[in-house]
Amino acid sequence: EAGVAQSPRYKIIEKRQSVAFWCNPISGHATLYWYQQILGQGPKLLIQFQNNGVVDDSQLPKDRFSAERLKGVDSTLKIQPAKLEDSAVYLCASSLPHWDEQFFGPGTRLTVL
Amino acid sequence: KQEVTQIPAALSVPEGENLVLNCSFTDSAIYNLQWFRQDPGKGLTSLLLIQSSQREQTSGRLNASLDKSSGRSTLYIAASQPGDSATYLCAVRVTGNQFYFGTGTSLTVIP
Repeated sequence: EAGVAQSPRYKIIEKRQSVAFWCNPISGHATLYWYQQILGQGPKLLIQFQNNGVVDDSQLPKDRFSAERLKGVDSTLKIQPAKLEDSAVYLCASSLPHWDEQFFGPGTRLTVL
Repeated sequence: KQEVTQIPAALSVPEGENLVLNCSFTDSAIYNLQWFRQDPGKGLTSLLLIQSSQREQTSGRLNASLDKSSGRSTLYIAASQPGDSATYLCAVRVTGNQFYFGTGTSLTVIP
């Protein structure tokens, strides 16, 4: 069974630039999560989708971050414009029902200069 | 707001030792608790998931317990190996589908 796929694996940008990350969940997983993990901290949930609907985006900085999952499968997370403090690893995870086990992708390491 | 704490932040043990990692949470109203390992530069690998109605889960040399009333979970690793070296994270799911992670315990198993 293929795991959660993410791309790119690494990205370096200047502050105020835009960046987008892509995630393809495990086949059949209706729930998809985006997390931000700052160095030395645990992951923080940014947004959760159930199929193509948003379940929770209470911790998403909506003035600069956006995410979509138009067809209920893969998802894109965008940052526009990026700030220095956005430097982190962005993790995507998926699961079956809401309360089931989460499976994570390898993450995208973002460095904002 | 739920707070998840993991102590110690770092642990170093000789190969073959049994060890216990701790996870505590402030709000006992959880749906489940999940333990992960994270290797440097990698994503998280799920180890064990304990539902709120369960007391423990076992997988190979790993055993996780859950005591909701006291807000605690432990991950027991038997006969540790150098390949167990990684950061171990616990996460709790609470009402409203929020997920809260601890900051992790960095484990080093010395050959």
